[in-house]
Amino acid sequence: DTGVSQNPRHKITKRGQNVTFRCDPISEHNRLYWYRQTLGQGPEFLTYFQNEAQLEKSRLLSDRFSAERPKGSFSTLEIQRTEQGDSAMYLCASSLLETGSTDTQYFGPGTRLTVL
Amino acid sequence: LAKTTQPISMDSYEGQEVNITCSHNNIATNDYITWYQQFPSQGPRFIIQGYKTKVTNEVASLFIPADRKSSTLSLPRVSLSDTAVYYCLVGYNNAGNMLTFGGGTRLMVKP
Repeated sequence: DTGVSQNPRHKITKRGQNVTFRCDPISEHNRLYWYRQTLGQGPEFLTYFQNEAQLEKSRLLSDRFSAERPKGSFSTLEIQRTEQGDSAMYLCASSLLETGSTDTQYFGPGTRLTVL
Repeated sequence: LAKTTQPISMDSYEGQEVNITCSHNNIATNDYITWYQQFPSQGPRFIIQGYKTKVTNEVASLFIPADRKSSTLSLPRVSLSDTAVYYCLVGYNNAGNMLTFGGGTRLMVKP
């Protein structure tokens, strides 16, 4: 257990529905990342936050994907109008950026999404 | 970010030492080398990180030659529970690091 938690662990939804996932990072970590992983592939970066600021979001897969980190603590990832191709594992990671550190990312257990 | 190349898969037996080599010819001066381990249906787990020469922790050793164009993850005396996918990544963390994962190396440890 790295200290990063994600909920729910599994989500099954019907095509066209909206889904929201939550990530709680390690408490003192100021950076939070979202990745997507499909079967047999390595994780693919989606977006990241430093505190509450979303510093990179160009890698979000489409405008149906959005993420928030309103108070600089937990984060949510929302997918609107889900499609079958959105079925994947969604991973969250957090890190502590400070002077002289190497900003090592620690991953949560992931949320597995299945779109029927 | 520097691209990495590692073997797709490796087989080993319990009790053996396993060495997984990663090539990163375009590594930049500020880049660190990081290895993660991932079990099925779990998030990647940080194993070890280094910049040059040798780094050792309770889990593994990381060997980095002087030119830093490759690195080798060494797992001593593997057990069945070491069966997993191992990812090698390079990047400069403090610049806002979006980790770029390749396909990883699937290690199968046999009894």
